Amino acid sequence: QSALTQPASVSGSPGQSITISCTGTSSDVGSYNLVSWYQQHPGKAPKVMIYEVSKRPSGVSNRFSGSKSGNTASLTISGLQAEDEADYYCCSYVRGDALVFGGGTKLTVL
Amino acid sequence: QVQLQESGPGLVKPSETLSLTCAVSGYSISSDSWWGWIRQPPGKGLEWIGSIYHSGNTHYNPSLQSRVSMSTDTSKNQFSLKLSSVTAADTAVYYCARQTISAWWFDPWGQGTLVTVSS
Repeated sequence: QSALTQPASVSGSPGQSITISCTGTSSDVGSYNLVSWYQQHPGKAPKVMIYEVSKRPSGVSNRFSGSKSGNTASLTISGLQAEDEADYYCCSYVRGDALVFGGGTKLTVL
Repeated sequence: QVQLQESGPGLVKPSETLSLTCAVSGYSISSDSWWGWIRQPPGKGLEWIGSIYHSGNTHYNPSLQSRVSMSTDTSKNQFSLKLSSVTAADTAVYYCARQTISAWWFDPWGQGTLVTVSS
């Protein structure tokens, strides 16, 4: 299976909103509502921010939201804050009981 | 709360077998969860290695399947990873994590352990 496609980098100013896309295929993103998003700060373990496309775990800010259209999932962060600067990875279930991650997107808060 | 801690050799020779263990505290691995391994080469992205249920059922990344083996030890509340015939390309930080059953997402994660493959 091939990695999901994410932009290498995105940036935004504090208070703005940004969206990170995650493009897969009909064998993964397009066929299952099992997309999750992870935030990773340098030297730290990833932390789940969104699961099942649009659900937020307890404790995650409602500034983070997820959606999906066709083979592309998206993570939107509104009201950007300095602490949001990190790497973000999408992940999807793949037909046949497997998982695939995206290549990762580096978010810079200007 | 649930905590996971990886352990194992930080240096493995090429062609040998990488072995790691993940100790779980605050939660029984026999409960209704899967348990996963994910790795991250230095400066690169995440790669799912595989997942295991306490009964021994496994799912492996097809690209690694021929070299991967996972097991559980419910008496010690831990699970393990073995990756055979390693090369420098297997150098990575290895994470263990709890995988929510039937929803395929990971939370929480261990802190990760760096394994370097070098002679």
